[in-house]
Amino acid sequence: NAGVMQNPRHLVRRRGQEARLRCSPMKGHSHVYWYRQLPEEGLKFMVYLQKENIIDESGMPKERFSAEFPKEGPSILRIQQVVRGDSAAYFCASSPRQGWNTGELFFGEGSRLTVL
Amino acid sequence: DQQVKQNSPSLSVQEGRISILNCDYTNSMFDYFLWYKKYPAEGPTFLISISSIKDKNEDGRFTVFLNKSAKHLSLHIVPSQPGDSAVYFCAASDGSSNTGKLIFGQGTTLQVKP
Repeated sequence: NAGVMQNPRHLVRRRGQEARLRCSPMKGHSHVYWYRQLPEEGLKFMVYLQKENIIDESGMPKERFSAEFPKEGPSILRIQQVVRGDSAAYFCASSPRQGWNTGELFFGEGSRLTVL
Repeated sequence: DQQVKQNSPSLSVQEGRISILNCDYTNSMFDYFLWYKKYPAEGPTFLISISSIKDKNEDGRFTVFLNKSAKHLSLHIVPSQPGDSAVYFCAASDGSSNTGKLIFGQGTTLQVKP
């Protein structure tokens, strides 16, 4: 199965610790999106990356959050000094190209972060 | 500022009947609309989409209707099956941004009773 792979599926952190979430896109996909779903809410766009480039980070909180998609390896969403409000499900999606349509955006199963 | 709204948090229908899920949007720049289905502990999966130049798109049991003047779209599932029980998200894309990012509604939980 060459779907979008996210790990860890579940992550527990204490306030002030760092969280790192990884996403390996589908084979052949070079465009990655990160979304966050807070409890009882829809998915909120965070950031859109291509290999080695951040294209749109308009949904990223200004502090503590960063994302990268290196030439080799998975995309990483990093949250520093986590707070309880960061507890959410974080979904990664990939697409084969920019300007996709017709359902060419494929989501992973998500990483659920719990901050104690 | 919720640009895509699904005002019904939940919907319950009998197996074999029609399910109608509704979605409203405010941004007239949206030019592509999608419906995603999500089971618990899984990621959203694409269901059906519609371009703003159309008013209807059909795929098997699923039909999406778009009313641009009302900024409203709906998903019809007929006949509904118990396996359709899931959370359904409406999403919209602004083609002018060319980034492909989606704006999601809050979701509607559909329960299809056998």
